[in-house]
Amino acid sequence: DTAVSQTPKYLVTQMGNDKSIKCEQNLGHDTMYWYKQDSKKFLKIMFSYNNKELIINETVPNRFSPKSPDKAHLNLHINSLELGDSAVYFCASSHRAAKETQYFGPGTRLLVL
Amino acid sequence: AQTVTQSQPEMSVQEAETVTLSCTYDTSESDYYLFWYKQPPSRQMILVIRQEAYKQQNATENRFSVNFQKAAKSFSLKISDSQLGDAAMYFCATFPASGTYKYIFGTGTRLKVLA
Repeated sequence: DTAVSQTPKYLVTQMGNDKSIKCEQNLGHDTMYWYKQDSKKFLKIMFSYNNKELIINETVPNRFSPKSPDKAHLNLHINSLELGDSAVYFCASSHRAAKETQYFGPGTRLLVL
Repeated sequence: AQTVTQSQPEMSVQEAETVTLSCTYDTSESDYYLFWYKQPPSRQMILVIRQEAYKQQNATENRFSVNFQKAAKSFSLKISDSQLGDAAMYFCATFPASGTYKYIFGTGTRLKVLA
């Protein structure tokens, strides 16, 4: 009965590889988000989808591509991984884009070697 | 642009005592929301408390309460009767009621609870 789940929880990979992180929410929410938390614990939004449509696209490299096959899923694909991509990536969801509390997944720790 | 400042990188509190974590923010929005999230070593981001800016009454959730000073743009979190399980990173965040649909987080305060 997990509300927001992410897979995998840990991801160790080599520079240059392509990897995906999956997120699913079973809360019936319309809006989903991806955040990046760097080594200094700073959390910054990357993307947001509302009803499968992209509504937030912060300044991130175009190697990062979100995909939302349906309202309950928001996946993050990263091409040509770089050392600086090492971070914890959090997925979150909310009932609506505005006003609503966001519920976070457990995070995916990505380590690029 | 909205900014959130948490000026205390680290705080310590004795078990059963009270501690206050400070947060100030800057926003041009007239309507917005404020949150405190807790991140224990498990990394999970857990909502602690939420405050609507249009409400004058300070939000309270069990041992957690806020002191919301809208004119001063201050939103501090008070934890009463601190427990060992309260040890975590605490993040303050703002969220506009319209427009950008995104949280702006502070840099966090690490809270240590001493037995």
